[in-house]
Amino acid sequence: GNSVTQMEGPVTLSEEAFLTINCTYTATGYPSLFWYVQYPGEGLQLLLKATKADDKGSNKGFEATYRKETTSFHLEKGSVQVSDSAVYFCALMGYGNKLVFGAGTILRVKS
Amino acid sequence: GAGVSQSPRYKVAKRGQDVALRCDPISGHVSLFWYQQALGQGPEFLTYFQNEAQLDKSGLPSDRFFAERPEGSVSTLKIQRTQQEDSAVYLCASSPLWGGGEQYFGPGTRLTVT
Repeated sequence: GNSVTQMEGPVTLSEEAFLTINCTYTATGYPSLFWYVQYPGEGLQLLLKATKADDKGSNKGFEATYRKETTSFHLEKGSVQVSDSAVYFCALMGYGNKLVFGAGTILRVKS
Repeated sequence: GAGVSQSPRYKVAKRGQDVALRCDPISGHVSLFWYQQALGQGPEFLTYFQNEAQLDKSGLPSDRFFAERPEGSVSTLKIQRTQQEDSAVYLCASSPLWGGGEQYFGPGTRLTVT
């Protein structure tokens, strides 16, 4: 079945550091890929998405590129801020509209 | 406009009790989803409605779990004879589309079974 694997956390960075959170997937067909973010005390929010190979999703300085050849959708940001501290979830949507999530990666940014 | 709302936000139940969790989706959203999120894990799919039709209930862990959306708007997830392993956050999401597209999540209901 479909599955998502993302790097374990927590990831601890200093402000303005470069961020990468790795995500790989297993799926039949051509899924859509998503990054969701959960800030402390808040619900899940869509951060960015890509619906086909080589698409790049971007939002709030975050980017991720749909790489079919490596089945990956790594999240990157050039310069993180303390306010980016949150839990980040990689997810895919295949046939049937349901989201399949990774386990989540905690990001902590220190000032 | 208003987002997805869920009630109650917190629920403590003794083992063996029945519970009912409510989801109010964004007005006009066709699709509604329920997910279960165990502590430290990602959400896992439970069930999916398009309007009042339950199209997929493959993720419901046992026949103690039941979901309904009788008028195609508000949905209720019911858990009968709760067990400790049912302790989790239950998330509801809605989408304006018949298929695919962004899902908008509610804040969740944290269920603790003692």
